[in-house]
Amino acid sequence: GAVVSQHPSRVICKSGTSVKIECRSLDFQATTMFWYRQFPKKSLMLMATSNEGSKATYEQGVEKDKFLINHASLTLSTLTVTSAHPEDSSFYICSARTGSDRQETQYFGPGTRLLVL
Amino acid sequence: AQSVTQLDSHVSVSEGTPVLLRCNYSSSYSPSLFWYVQHPNKGLQLLLKYTSAATLVKGINGFEAEFKKSETSFHLTKPSAHMSDAAEYFCVVSHGSSNTGKLIFGQGTTLQVKP
Repeated sequence: GAVVSQHPSRVICKSGTSVKIECRSLDFQATTMFWYRQFPKKSLMLMATSNEGSKATYEQGVEKDKFLINHASLTLSTLTVTSAHPEDSSFYICSARTGSDRQETQYFGPGTRLLVL
Repeated sequence: AQSVTQLDSHVSVSEGTPVLLRCNYSSSYSPSLFWYVQHPNKGLQLLLKYTSAATLVKGINGFEAEFKKSETSFHLTKPSAHMSDAAEYFCVVSHGSSNTGKLIFGQGTTLQVKP
């Protein structure tokens, strides 16, 4: 099946610094990638939708200047958490899909655990 | 608007006994429905999906789910639980009639399998 990777798997940073998380589709071209946030014992919350070559679409309540998303190629999307604060500590998960059909399966990465001190 | 409700936050079964994880959905359109599993510190894995074909959907690892429009349900079942089935399970509905690809997740059900 399709494989999506994330790097790093775990990151600890100081408050005020920026952190970049990469999401790659390893064996397919992803027209669309999605970024989710998952709190402990909670469900996934969609943060933004990223289409290759265009600006990301953010969900209501998600600060686009804080969570910068770049989808420069069909196999790579990045999420940069700018000026991170302890409340940004969370599990960030990306997913990718190949086509535009709503029945299309999304393939999820293993997640990145961010801890901001 | 689309939504999905997982009726049990925690389910505990004994190894070898049947598993039932309940999910109800709300959708203004003909929905696409999915079940994903998340093992600790692992990514989400697709178990199965319903996309308006057969109402009984068979997935991986012996899981299956039945789409019941009259009951707006999409319950996940497995005849015999294995210890390796212990994980978090998410019922998911696709968002709306457009092809945005947005998924709406249920709150999740933690499946515990006792020896």
